Amino acid sequence: QKEVEQDPGPLSVPEGAIVSLNCTYSNSAFQYFMWYRQYSRKGPELLMYTYSSGNKEDGRFTAQVDKSSKYISLFIRDSQPSDSATYLCAMGLYGSSNTGKLIFGQGTTLQVKP
Amino acid sequence: DAEITQSPRHKITETGRQVTLACHQTWNHNNMFWYRQDLGHGLRLIHYSYGVQDTNKGEVSDGYSVSRSNTEDLPLTLESAASSQTSVYFCASSDFLESTDTQYFGPGTRLTVL
Repeated sequence: QKEVEQDPGPLSVPEGAIVSLNCTYSNSAFQYFMWYRQYSRKGPELLMYTYSSGNKEDGRFTAQVDKSSKYISLFIRDSQPSDSATYLCAMGLYGSSNTGKLIFGQGTTLQVKP
Repeated sequence: DAEITQSPRHKITETGRQVTLACHQTWNHNNMFWYRQDLGHGLRLIHYSYGVQDTNKGEVSDGYSVSRSNTEDLPLTLESAASSQTSVYFCASSDFLESTDTQYFGPGTRLTVL
């Protein structure tokens, strides 16, 4: 069983839809959670970062963490064609010996149709 | 503007050959990472470095090596390329002092081993 599970999709939605992307994880020790966005033929870029259970909003994006269920989500409101990309969840532990040792999900490919 | 570059962007090689992929960052970051990205596996850590002369093995390090002689560069060497090493390779860097551990990714190198 992988430490982080993410449905690879693809997920296709009409423009303006609310999108829900999800990851589950098995290691209850994970302390912080990230969402990266990766456009085709590009490197991933950080979209959102959170370290506590609950919701964090940034514009049209909301990151949600439920540590008790070991489940994280990314919601995209009013989705746009420019949101078409692969979304990767990642998680890690604090501490100097853990620096950079992110565990990534497989990524979910999202297509937003005009 | 600070950036992270990778070269070559595309490489085709033959089984058994030695291959070196270059990674150069101008962020002046201490931490540098190499990942491979494959369908069904997401991003997997190959090697990482926390500073000059420091290198560490990641999750999938067999058949790969790195060396860090300066802050800016972390070349990845495939000692004897195998078809299983056909993949997209990403280099990333992060700032030791940044608490969010945000990693900044390069554009990737697509490697094909025939």
